[in-house]
This record gives sequence, structure tokens and C-alpha cells, in this order.
Amino acid sequence: SQQGEEDPQALSIQEGENATMNCSYKTSINNLQWYRQNSGRGLVHLILIRSNEREKHSGRLRVTLDTSKKSSSLLITASRAADTASYFCATDAESGGSTLGRLYFGRGTQLTVWP
Amino acid sequence: SAVISQKPSRDICQRGTSLTIQCQVDSQVTMMFWYRQQPGQSLTLIATANQGSEATYESGFVIDKFPISRPNLTFSTLTVSNMSPEDSSIYLCSVELEKLFFGSGTQLSVL
Repeated sequence: SQQGEEDPQALSIQEGENATMNCSYKTSINNLQWYRQNSGRGLVHLILIRSNEREKHSGRLRVTLDTSKKSSSLLITASRAADTASYFCATDAESGGSTLGRLYFGRGTQLTVWP
Repeated sequence: SAVISQKPSRDICQRGTSLTIQCQVDSQVTMMFWYRQQPGQSLTLIATANQGSEATYESGFVIDKFPISRPNLTFSTLTVSNMSPEDSSIYLCSVELEKLFFGSGTQLSVL
């Protein structure tokens, strides 16, 4: 399976601290994406990083990708209580240079930010 | 971006009954995807729904259990048939516009 695996499974920090979540995957990809899910509801796309990119920023989010290690990390800086959610990485399936239009999700990291 | 309306948002159903989940998108999209998220688990793709053709199901999912309709480019339904408690999950529809946009999900509990 190409499923991504996040670690840690759960992370609990204080407001203002940084939160780092990691994701590993198994096969070649075209891109890797991070999603956020509040209280078991719909997912919200956070950021996409392509296989030829090593780092990407979006506001307080910083994503890195190491294709040699088949791993990615999501850093949330200066965390807020409102960042409390589950965070998932998702990878596509590289096939003949085109994606299959479907994503493979990890189990997620539950982040709790205490005020 | 895409705005996806999914309903119902939650339901509690009796064993043996069926539930149809609707998904409406504010723009025309070629493919729509249906995912299941079992309690504490990751999302698993059930099927891909293309307008004008039968849905393509992933391994472990069959049309008799999860029939899908895709009558036009903005709408799709997923039916969970002959439900059992093991079907209790969150069901999410999504569309791909470079990245996936998700509906708000349907939280299904089967008694």
C-alpha cells in the first residue's frame, strides 16, 4: 500500500509553541498534500508540495519533502488553540507520469494546543 | 476552489436499512470521489464517480453495497445499503481541482 503514515499519533503543546508532524510513505509520488480535519468533519486542504520541491511555506505552515527518505514534515509555528485538529498527509499514486486522481491518506496526527 | 454541499450531515440508522448521501458541487467537475473514514482511522477511497459511466470501485468495495449515481457534472449520490454497525463511519465526497476539496461529511451511526 502507498498509505502515508504520520507520527506522532497525538501531540499536545501550549499556545505559542511550534508543532512538528512527520509523514512517511512507501512509493514514488508526484506530490504530497497536508489536510486538516476539525472534529471528524470534512477535510480542508492546507498545502501541496510537488516531488521536485524540497520546502514550501504558507503563512505559519512550513512543509518539507525528502523524496530520498520518502518523508515529509509539517511545521506549524506559533501555534494557537484554534489549530487544534487532526492533520493528515496524503500522497497520490505516480503511474506513467500521470496521477490516478486519487489520494492515499495516513491515519493522522491529533494536535491539541492548550491556551 | 469548489464549494461542496453534502447531506445529511449525520444520521442514525437501523441495521438492514439503506441511506443515500447527496453531494452537490458549485462547479462542473469530471470526477467525484467518495471516501470512508472509520472511527479513528484514515480516509479510504470507496469509488470514483465519472459522469456518464459506471463508478470505479476500489478493492474491498462493491456496487451492490455502495451504489453510486452521477447524473450530471455537479451532483452525485452514494447509498450505503443493507447497513450493519460496521458501516458506522464518516462518509465524505470530494472533487479534484488540482487538490481535493471535501464536503463536510456525513456521520453515520448504525444501531
